[in-house]
Amino acid sequence: QKEVEQDPGPLSVPEGAIVSLNCTYSNSAFQYFMWYRQYSRKGPELLMYTYSSGNKEDGRFTAQVDKSSKYISLFIRDSQPSDSATYLCAMSEGGRRALTFGSGTRLQVQP
Amino acid sequence: NAGVTQTPKFQVLKTGQSMTLQCAQDMNHNSMYWYRQDPGMGLRLIYYSASEGTTDKGEVPNGYNVSRLNKREFSLRLESAAPSQTSVYFCATTLQGTSTEAFFGQGTRLTVV
Repeated sequence: QKEVEQDPGPLSVPEGAIVSLNCTYSNSAFQYFMWYRQYSRKGPELLMYTYSSGNKEDGRFTAQVDKSSKYISLFIRDSQPSDSATYLCAMSEGGRRALTFGSGTRLQVQP
Repeated sequence: NAGVTQTPKFQVLKTGQSMTLQCAQDMNHNSMYWYRQDPGMGLRLIYYSASEGTTDKGEVPNGYNVSRLNKREFSLRLESAAPSQTSVYFCATTLQGTSTEAFFGQGTRLTVV
């Protein structure tokens, strides 16, 4: 079993829809949770960063972390065609240990 | 300000050939990482260097070696390339460890035939 599980999609939604992306994990020591966005043939870029449990909002994006359920989510409101990309969740225990990534969910927002 | 620069961007190797992937950062970050990305597998850590002078194995280190040449540069070497090493390779840096944002290079697309 992978340490981080993420539905690969693809997920296709109409423009303006609310998108929900999710990851589950098994390592209870994870305390830093991130979402990266990766456009085709580009490197990942940080989208959202959360420490421990709770919600964080940034414009149209909301990240949620539920450590009791080992479940994290990314919500995109009023989705745009420019949001079409692969979204990767990533987690770490902190310190020297490297990030552990989900496999990524490919999102397509149709105009 | 270039950020994280990887060279080359594309490479085709024959089985058994060797090559070195270069990564350089101008962000004055301490930690550097090499990942490979394969379809359906996400990003898997090959090696990382928490600080200058140290390197550690990641999830998939077999067939690779690394050198942290100085604070700016972290290279990945394939001594005898195999078709299973066909992948997209990403270098990343963080200011310190994994509690801070990781910045990625543009990637190197490697095909081993």
